Amino acid sequence: QTVVTQEPSFSVSPGGTVTLTCGLTSGSVSTSYYPSWYQQTPGQPPRTLVYSTNTRSSGVPDRFSGSILGNKAALTITGAQADDESDYYCVLYMGSGFWVFGGGTKLTVL
Amino acid sequence: QVHLVQSGAEVKKPGASVKVSCKASGYTFTGYYMHWVRQAPGQGLEWMGWINPDDKAHYAQKFQGLVTITRDTSISTTYMELSRLRSDDTAVYYCSRARSMHASDSFDIWGQGTMVTVSS
Repeated sequence: QTVVTQEPSFSVSPGGTVTLTCGLTSGSVSTSYYPSWYQQTPGQPPRTLVYSTNTRSSGVPDRFSGSILGNKAALTITGAQADDESDYYCVLYMGSGFWVFGGGTKLTVL
Repeated sequence: QVHLVQSGAEVKKPGASVKVSCKASGYTFTGYYMHWVRQAPGQGLEWMGWINPDDKAHYAQKFQGLVTITRDTSISTTYMELSRLRSDDTAVYYCSRARSMHASDSFDIWGQGTMVTVSS
């Protein structure tokens, strides 16, 4: 069974740039997986950041950007701010109506 | 403005069933997929299934035979019923409207979540 992989945790300095990735235990992520990214803070529902690889959701600052890097989907945060400290989840469309979330990345800004 | 408002917290005993509702407003209810996603305490997000504009439901393999997603278009409400509850079904359950009427369009708008606690 294919698993969607994310870094469990990541740290970035305020003002810095960080790239979170979303891969597969078997195979490469491409645009055909329609990768999307979500931000979640404790006690809140997820917030949609990026969909279809690189399209920002309405109201999302342009310092969040999505892409394919090598064989993974990626979310890059440029100019990290304190309130970017959150959990970040990717989800991939596996075809035939099935979706699978990654395990999430806990981002610390310090 | 698009809103999804879910029903309140539930406490159930093992073996029981729970039915969570998700009332939509601010858009044409029948034109979009609606997904259900859950999150156990301290854990990540887990996709459970969807119902599409044609009223067809589709479930993650893990939940086949356990979950039923339905909707009532007359009141713009989607339901997720989970049966044979176990303690590890304790989680926050979210409805999430997809971006469009296509299966490959991801989650867009989220409900506020419904806490379901399974305990004897």
